[in-house]
Amino acid sequence: DAKTTQPNSMESNEEEPVHLPCNHSTISGTDYIHWYRQLPSQGPEYVIHGLTSNVNNRMASLAIAEDRKSSTLILHRATLRDAAVYYCILRDEDEKLTFGTGTRLTIIP
Amino acid sequence: NAGVTQTPKFRILKIGQSMTLQCAQDMNHNYMYWYRQDPGMGLKLIYYSVGAGITDKGEVPNGYNVSRSTTEDFPLRLELAAPSQTSVYFCASSFRGASTEAFFGQGTRLTVV
Repeated sequence: DAKTTQPNSMESNEEEPVHLPCNHSTISGTDYIHWYRQLPSQGPEYVIHGLTSNVNNRMASLAIAEDRKSSTLILHRATLRDAAVYYCILRDEDEKLTFGTGTRLTIIP
Repeated sequence: NAGVTQTPKFRILKIGQSMTLQCAQDMNHNYMYWYRQDPGMGLKLIYYSVGAGITDKGEVPNGYNVSRSTTEDFPLRLELAAPSQTSVYFCASSFRGASTEAFFGQGTRLTVV
């Protein structure tokens, strides 16, 4: 499975935008970029995914580099409820979801 | 719509005991997964299934067994519990396809003493 690299932790002020980076230099042409987050004491939940183009949904935006070797999850206005571990995952043709260690996001009130 | 349901939520086992962690989904998903998460770590894939009757090993299958006799259910069996199996276990399901969203259960917290 192709691997992703994320910072271990990030902090952001409440009500500010947050940009969570992910590097995936060995991505293949058919890999989809998925983001999940895990709130404390809960199972992971889906946030967003994309292949080549930038994507927006009600939770976040996903910006994908033109060469697809990196991506950024954007939370437009962080709230305390966004404090979680965010996982960037490449989902490939055999369709397993392989998790890394993720980025622990702390929101400062 | 219940989604992915895991039972039990908590369990304490003695070394050498056996148990089955239950997972059921009501979304008619083809794919189901079992993960474990040790404290402060990411999720590691134990086993997965692409449909009824088909299962395959993930990263950390030793000490576990699975079966998939129906689309809805994917139980995880621990035959001889060891302290190293103390962890939080998550079940997930999705439709087929690399672009599909996976849904996770709330987890089973297992302690082996």
